[in-house]
Amino acid sequence: KAGVTQTPRYLIKTRGQQVTLSCSPISGHRSVSWYQQTPGQGLQFLFEYFSETQRNKGNFPGRFSGRQFSNSRSEMNVSTLELGDSALYLCASGRGIEGTQYFGPGTRLLVL
Amino acid sequence: GQNIDQPTEMTATEGAIVQINCTYQTSGFNGLFWYQQHAGEAPTFLSYNVLDGLEEKGRFSSFLSRSKGYSYLLLKELQMKDSASYLCAVRTGTGAAGNKLTFGGGTRVLVKP
Repeated sequence: KAGVTQTPRYLIKTRGQQVTLSCSPISGHRSVSWYQQTPGQGLQFLFEYFSETQRNKGNFPGRFSGRQFSNSRSEMNVSTLELGDSALYLCASGRGIEGTQYFGPGTRLLVL
Repeated sequence: GQNIDQPTEMTATEGAIVQINCTYQTSGFNGLFWYQQHAGEAPTFLSYNVLDGLEEKGRFSSFLSRSKGYSYLLLKELQMKDSASYLCAVRTGTGAAGNKLTFGGGTRVLVKP
């Protein structure tokens, strides 16, 4: 069974731009969560989607948004990029019934 | 608020045993995860404890005490490839199926020959 996939793997943007990241969960998984990982703050929860609905949300500004499609694929959008948004963005998928979540390889975003 | 503590770094010798402790204070608890993360890679799932006690899986074991807000990950017969960061994460979230994970800062384990 294929794992979680994320595209693109690497991205360079400039301040003020916006970016969209994509995540395809493991087949059969309906829960998709997004995390930001930085050296200073570690892994921080952004939001979780289940059956196209946002079920949980972390403490990030409204510039960070997401959505989930009917095939469970999810996208995350960051608008008006800031230098501090440079990070590894990880997506994790799970069945949504049990808690085990499996991470994708991540998208490394660099904001210049 | 959420607070998850684990040591920053540990060093051990190949073939030895290392125990990584994790203490937590969270609002809501639906299980505790341990993940392994090699530098530059994504976290990989190691174990999941939702009830008190010890879960053994090959060279790795994880223990949970919910009343004490405490867990540990035990790595036996250490190999060089076990050099990585080990992340403790508590599952919280809304409803029985909520999947919000709050992570500790991670413990970097260095295995020496």
